[in-house]
Amino acid sequence: GESVGLHLPTLSVQEGDNSIINCAYSNSASDYFIWYKQESGKGPQFIIDIRSNMDKRQGQRVTVLLNKTVKHLSLQIAATQPGDSAVYFCAENLDTGNQFYFGTGTSLTVIP
Amino acid sequence: ETGVTQSPTHLIKTRGQQVTLRCSSQSGHNTVSWYQQALGQGPQFIFQYYREEENGRGNFPPRFSGLQFPNYSSELNVNALELDDSALYLCASSFEGAGTEAFFGQGTRLTVV
Repeated sequence: GESVGLHLPTLSVQEGDNSIINCAYSNSASDYFIWYKQESGKGPQFIIDIRSNMDKRQGQRVTVLLNKTVKHLSLQIAATQPGDSAVYFCAENLDTGNQFYFGTGTSLTVIP
Repeated sequence: ETGVTQSPTHLIKTRGQQVTLRCSSQSGHNTVSWYQQALGQGPQFIFQYYREEENGRGNFPPRFSGLQFPNYSSELNVNALELDDSALYLCASSFEGAGTEAFFGQGTRLTVV
């Protein structure tokens, strides 16, 4: 979804636990999605992507799930580590467009 | 590291001045997009350049302009700077624009005083 305000959702997890970060996207015509990780003072870092013809994609320690019916995207991080602490953004891309729309982001804090 | 580099990393300008930010795209990428990220918010699309032409623009006034060069590097120019232009400016490079992986640089932090 597009950025709707200044209140950043937060998530705190214990080191070693699994994390789930959710994102509601806004446009049913969006057909490509990327999850980005952004650490303080740095640019967004590509984590994983998924196209609308898939409902699940796995990477190293990360899984993205896509539910087009309810326009929902989630990022699962297995065995969360302190280095995973960052703000996570989902970004959607329309099949006819060239820009990514970013959500507000979720701040993940991993407690050692 | 993505291979996308931006310069400068930090910049302080006075209201009313003009600024030029630069971006070198990742090797093999021909498309550069610029985003503005205000504190605590997600990046907002400014515009995209593909094969040296503007290829889409977000909701930004004409005083935001850009260029892309034959080597696919790009510039973002902002005229008549306003205090609200203070933000992190991000460049993303990709191959062929829509529906492909986009990799970001580390950004330029612009402060307008």
